[in-house]
Amino acid sequence: EPEVTQTPSHQVTQMGQEVILRCVPISNHLYFYWYRQILGQKVEFLVSFYNNEISEKSEIFDDQFSVERPDGSNFTLKIRSTKLEDSAMYFCASSPESYNEQFFGPGTRLTVL
Amino acid sequence: AQTVTQSQPEMSVQEAETVTLSCTYDTSENNNYLFWYKQPPSRQMILVIRQEAYKQQNATENRFSVNFQKAAKSFSLKISDSQLGDTAMYFCAFVLYNFNKFYFGSGTKLNVKP
Repeated sequence: EPEVTQTPSHQVTQMGQEVILRCVPISNHLYFYWYRQILGQKVEFLVSFYNNEISEKSEIFDDQFSVERPDGSNFTLKIRSTKLEDSAMYFCASSPESYNEQFFGPGTRLTVL
Repeated sequence: AQTVTQSQPEMSVQEAETVTLSCTYDTSENNNYLFWYKQPPSRQMILVIRQEAYKQQNATENRFSVNFQKAAKSFSLKISDSQLGDTAMYFCAFVLYNFNKFYFGSGTKLNVKP
């Protein structure tokens, strides 16, 4: 069964460093998403992406964040200058339709020191 | 503003018994889709059940069923014959038809006891 994959599973970085979180969505899906979950808290929407552009973004998704689909299979989230409060689990998801079930990846745990 | 409220941070149930997790949502939009996701200790988010808000009939998926009360904007999840593997965080969520964004509740931690 096709699934969303994410790499790395755990990323440790120093405050102020740039990180890139990678995702490979399910191949025939058209909509892509990033969410984050701070430990013990709810899942928060960051951004959605369709047709090679951002379609929705939350107030969390400020200028430090960017997304890209560089090669037609990968979907990346870049954080330019990480802060301590960026430490969280980051989930990628994809969907065949904008209002349908989203398929989640296993997540990348980001730890900012 | 769109919000999802799960008022039960944690619940316990004995194996084989039935438990109901509550969820209410607030939106002015009528066209939306509602979901329950499960997040076991492995932290992978897994879809449990899906309900189209325009449908009157409550969705059922094996031991999982929903009680969707549209006027009350309530979307509770009933788990029958609870199993140890049902132990997880459960998140209620909805998406608006023309908006590319999920709204999640804060989650209910369910412990199934042997």
